[in-house]
This record gives sequence, C-alpha cells and structure tokens, in this order.
Amino acid sequence: LAKTTQPISMDSYEGQEVNITCSHNNIATNDYITWYQQFPSQGPRFIIQGYKTKVTNEVASLFIPADRKSSTLSLPRVSLSDTAVYYCLLMDTGRRALTFGSGTRLQVQP
Amino acid sequence: DADVTQTPRNRITKTGKRIMLECSQTKGHDRMYWYRQDPGLGLRLIYYSFDVKDINKGEISDGYSVSRQAQAKFSLSLESAIPNQTALYFCATSDPFGLADADTQYFGPGTRLTVL
Repeated sequence: LAKTTQPISMDSYEGQEVNITCSHNNIATNDYITWYQQFPSQGPRFIIQGYKTKVTNEVASLFIPADRKSSTLSLPRVSLSDTAVYYCLLMDTGRRALTFGSGTRLQVQP
Repeated sequence: DADVTQTPRNRITKTGKRIMLECSQTKGHDRMYWYRQDPGLGLRLIYYSFDVKDINKGEISDGYSVSRQAQAKFSLSLESAIPNQTALYFCATSDPFGLADADTQYFGPGTRLTVL
C-alpha cells in the first residue's frame, strides 16, 4: 500500500492560514488524495478529496502538483475550533484496506 | 454523523468476558468497517465488509470477530476480552458508487471500551 507522510504536529494562531503538507511518493494512478479531520473522542470527518491540481470547498483547499507525489491541505483563517488531528489518506474504490496513520495534530491558539 | 450509530457508547468489562459492539447505519451503504484507536494514535482497521456476504480481516483482526447481519448492521465481538483491547472503537460506512467523492467514509460516534 502506498504510504503517506505528514508532520506530527503544527501550531498556529487564530486568523492565520494553515498549510499541512503530505508526502506520497508511491501514489498509484487510481489513488485519490483524501483528508479527514478528527476532534477528540469523535470519529474522523471527511474534509476534502482531489485527484490533481486544486480543489476547493467551503472548508478547505487542496493543492496537488502535477507529479502528485505530495499534496497540501490549506485551511484559511483558522479558528480555535479547527484544533484537531488531520489525516491524509490515499483512496480508490477498489482498495480494500485503509491506513490512517498518526495524522497531524494542529493546535490553534488565541 | 447521526446516520451511523454505535451501541453502547461506553462499556466497562472484565477480562475474559465476551462483549459485542453494534453498529447501525441508515445511509444505505454497502461497505462497513470497524476500527480501533488507541490514545495519541491513528485508526487501525480491524475488519471490513463490502457487502453482506463479504467479510475481510484488517490489519489487527486477532481477538475479534464480526457479523454482518444485514446491509445496515455490522457487529464486532470480543470473544474473551483482554486489557490491551481497551480502546476507542469506531464503525464507518462508505459507498464507492455514490455521487459524492470516491469511497468517502462516514464514521459513527465511537464506543469507548475499558477492559479491567
């Protein structure tokens, strides 16, 4: 299975833009890059997914370079409520096993 | 996500006891999953089911068993609970052919299990 690597933790302040980068050097042609958010004692929640270039929704943006070996989740103007763990995964409809990894723990301070 | 429910939400049991965790979903998804999460760690896949007749082991299936009673129900059993099975357990569902993004998983609220 293709593996993803992301920073263990990040700190930010309210109102700042936060960018979390994920490396996936062995990404397969059929893989979609998917990000989840998890608050303490809650199940992960889907944030955004993309295949190439840029994807934007009401929560975040996802930037994917042409070689797809990395991706960057961008959270605009974070607030205290964005404090959570963020997971980068590679997914395709045929894959049978998913690996969440340890994620990136984002701490937003006032 | 309220469409995926788990019971019980909290459970304390003793070593050697049999315990069942239940998951129900109203999303109409064929795929269901069981994960466990230990403090400070990511989720690890225990079992998954792509339809009622399809059950597969995940990376940490030893000591667990599952039953897919219907499309909407997927139960996880610990036949003889041991302390290192103390963890937070999550159920999830997905639909790879839905209109939304590829095979997005929707998680239940979790069951906190303590084995003494």
